[in-house]
Amino acid sequence: NAGVTQTPKFQVLKTGQSMTLQCAQDMNHNSMYWYRQDPGMGLRLIYYSASEGTTDKGEVPNGYNVSRLNKREFSLRLESAAPSQTSVYFCASTGTGEQPQHFGDGTRLSIL
Amino acid sequence: GDSVTQMEGPVTLSEEAFLTINCTYTATGYPSLFWYVQYPGEGLQLLLKATKADDKGSNKGFEATYRKETTSFHLEKGSVQVSDSAVYFCALAPGGNTPLVFGKGTRLSVIA
Repeated sequence: NAGVTQTPKFQVLKTGQSMTLQCAQDMNHNSMYWYRQDPGMGLRLIYYSASEGTTDKGEVPNGYNVSRLNKREFSLRLESAAPSQTSVYFCASTGTGEQPQHFGDGTRLSIL
Repeated sequence: GDSVTQMEGPVTLSEEAFLTINCTYTATGYPSLFWYVQYPGEGLQLLLKATKADDKGSNKGFEATYRKETTSFHLEKGSVQVSDSAVYFCALAPGGNTPLVFGKGTRLSVIA
């Protein structure tokens, strides 16, 4: 009954440090997504993977990289963290067609 | 491109009041439409959806009707409860594997 699992739940980094956010889904979904949520900005898409082996940029990809490790896992990496990347990060997944997205509980990331 | 516009919050209501949160969209083609809810400290959960014109989605006392002629998908509930306090997001699915397009969210606070 796990759905979409994100780790870690909370993290504090210093400017310039690197970090990988992990996401795994157990619903055999083809598509996976990374969003960031900032006050007053709603959800903004960072990167997505329509299927295993493919990744595409979203609205705000600068400063991030992603890896679709296999069908279950989709990681988000910050190579050199900046204070502007302080946010709540959500991973989501969906099956084929127009099925709704399923979201994880988020990673709250603070960069000092 | 496709877009979703929803009413600015916050919205504050007394318990048992009637709720309407407006959502309008711009899209090419015939998107599916969704309402998601985000409770404090959690990820987004699907509340309801509609896949074609004149469909009515409903769940937990909430309803929304897909109005193609007015490009709208307004969320309504006849009698809100304190437990409905959350952020509500309207979203559309353009089709295929294209990611969802989200509105900026509307925060609802219900007071006893």
